[in-house]
Amino acid sequence: KNEVEQSPQNLTAQEGEFITINCSYSVGISALHWLQQHPGGGIVSLFMLSSGKKKHGRLIATINIQEKHSSLHITASHPRDSAVYICAVFYNTDKLIFGTGTRLQVFP
Amino acid sequence: DTEVTQTPKHLVMGMTNKKSLKCEQHMGHRAMYWYKQKAKKPPELMFVYSYEKLSINESVPSRFSPECPNSSLLNLHLHALQPEDSALYLCASSQEGAGASEQYFGPGTRLTVT
Repeated sequence: KNEVEQSPQNLTAQEGEFITINCSYSVGISALHWLQQHPGGGIVSLFMLSSGKKKHGRLIATINIQEKHSSLHITASHPRDSAVYICAVFYNTDKLIFGTGTRLQVFP
Repeated sequence: DTEVTQTPKHLVMGMTNKKSLKCEQHMGHRAMYWYKQKAKKPPELMFVYSYEKLSINESVPSRFSPECPNSSLLNLHLHALQPEDSALYLCASSQEGAGASEQYFGPGTRLTVT
């Protein structure tokens, strides 16, 4: 069983929609990464957070340590947001444990 | 400079070839990582170098040999690979030698073993 669960696995949206991707983990962590990967491409770090909320442009990431849950929100989605979004956590080591990813497609 | 660069972008090699992948960062990061990623799967950690010393080897077969000549450079030497080793190989770096710090990823090398 993967220690990091993401939902949904696949997501389609119309341009302009508000999108939420969820990530749950099983035990206490020191930090959580949200990453973006375009098809055939490298990985871009969107956020690293250990508490609260962070915002960058149209992207917002939140984390609830007590509930062991994080969400990534995309406001006013655009076709260029189409990518795989990956949640990854640090369990007090320098190893990242990756979720299975959420494949997002935004149609015009 | 907040970039991790990797060369080559694509590599095709036969099972008897010897080749190397190269990764470079100039952010002063002290930890560097090699990951392997198969299609539609998350990355799998292969090696971690911390302060130029190998700190983690995730039981990777010896046909993959990492090398960290200096704090900016990380190589992955490949020899006698199998077709199932075909994958995207990603390099990453982070500021700290250990513990949770943000990892910056390179664009990857897409390797095909024939």
